[in-house]
Amino acid sequence: QKEVEQDPGPLSVPEGAIVSLNCTYSNSAFQYFMWYRQYSRKGPELLMYTYSSGNKEDGRFTAQVDKSSKYISLFIRDSQPSDSATYLCAMSVKGSSNTGKLIFGQGTTLQVKP
Amino acid sequence: DVKVTQSSRYLVKRTGEKVFLECVQDMDHENMFWYRQDPGLGLRLIYFSYDVKMKEKGDIPEGYSVSREKKERFSLILESASTNQTSMYLCASSFLTAVGEQYFGPGTRLTVT
Repeated sequence: QKEVEQDPGPLSVPEGAIVSLNCTYSNSAFQYFMWYRQYSRKGPELLMYTYSSGNKEDGRFTAQVDKSSKYISLFIRDSQPSDSATYLCAMSVKGSSNTGKLIFGQGTTLQVKP
Repeated sequence: DVKVTQSSRYLVKRTGEKVFLECVQDMDHENMFWYRQDPGLGLRLIYFSYDVKMKEKGDIPEGYSVSREKKERFSLILESASTNQTSMYLCASSFLTAVGEQYFGPGTRLTVT
């Protein structure tokens, strides 16, 4: 079993829809949770960063962490064609000797149709 | 703006060749990473380095080596390229204590024939 599981999709939605992207994990030591966005033919870029359970909002994006269920989500409101990309969740262990090392999910490909 | 550059966007090599992939960052980051990205498998860490001349194995180091002679430059070496090393290779960098925020280069699409 992979440490981090993410449905690769693809996910196709109409413009304006609410999108929900999810990851599950098995390592209860994970304490830092990230979402990266990767456009076609580009490297990933950090989109959202959370520490501990709860919600974090940034514009149309909301990151949610439920440590009791080992489940994280990214919600995109009023989705736009420019949101079409691959979204990767990533996690890290606090105080790990491998400082900065991340474990990534497989990535979910999202297409938002005009 | 942080910039991470990789020496080539596309590379085609023959089986058995020695391959060098170069990565340079301009933000004085201590950490540098090499990943490969394959469909359905996501990003997998090959090697990382937290200081000049220091290196640590990641999850899939077999068939690869690395070199970090200068802080801004991190090289990935395929000693004898094989077809199963055909992949997208991504370099990233971060500050030593930055847990989570990595800056990625555009990637090198390597094809081994």
